[in-house]
Amino acid sequence: AQSVAQPEDQVNVAEGNPLTVKCTYSVSGNPYLFWYVQYPNRGLQFLLKYITGDNLVKGSYGFEAEFNKSQTSFHLKKPSALVSDSALYFCAVRDGTDSWGKFQFGAGTQVVVTP
Amino acid sequence: DSGVTQTPKHLITATGQRVTLRCSPRSGDLSVYWYQQSLDQGLQFLIQYYNGEERAKGNILERFSAQQFPDLHSELNLSSLELGDSALYFCASSTTGGSNTIYFGEGSWLTVV
Repeated sequence: AQSVAQPEDQVNVAEGNPLTVKCTYSVSGNPYLFWYVQYPNRGLQFLLKYITGDNLVKGSYGFEAEFNKSQTSFHLKKPSALVSDSALYFCAVRDGTDSWGKFQFGAGTQVVVTP
Repeated sequence: DSGVTQTPKHLITATGQRVTLRCSPRSGDLSVYWYQQSLDQGLQFLIQYYNGEERAKGNILERFSAQQFPDLHSELNLSSLELGDSALYFCASSTTGGSNTIYFGEGSWLTVV
């Protein structure tokens, strides 16, 4: 069985400061890892994904994420947060050994960026 | 705009009724996913189809059913509706499974009164 944990319900950060949203996962095989963002009353928007290769993945809107196999983590980061980054962020995992395995989402982390 | 189209955007209906939510995937995508998002349950995977065939099933109630048609659009049927079914229902699509990114529609807001 696969699972995703986002240990923080909410992350508060001041504008201009670094932003980190944490995600840990558990899968049987190699993980396919994804980050999505959801603005109020909107659908989820894809930010970035890790499939294989370089552990540091760069995505949309200045976000990046680092895959750490030993810690089974895939934390989302942004060097300098903007007020417009305030949104709900979801981490997701799929087991790479099962092409039709579930696309499992975490519970989400609310990011609040204050001016 | 992700290219995934969902209708209706909003729906209010009474308990005991039946509704159908419709989804058109992105052009070229063969796989369709349905998710339910509610405040207390988070984002729950319901069901996935690939080229008309069911591929994975999640926490979908027996009162709910779905199908994917030959033109690849999908419908989610919700029957004997209860107050607790009020939620945002998302459709997503991808080319196939595996490492392919899934792209979400804007969702259908269902309110059961």
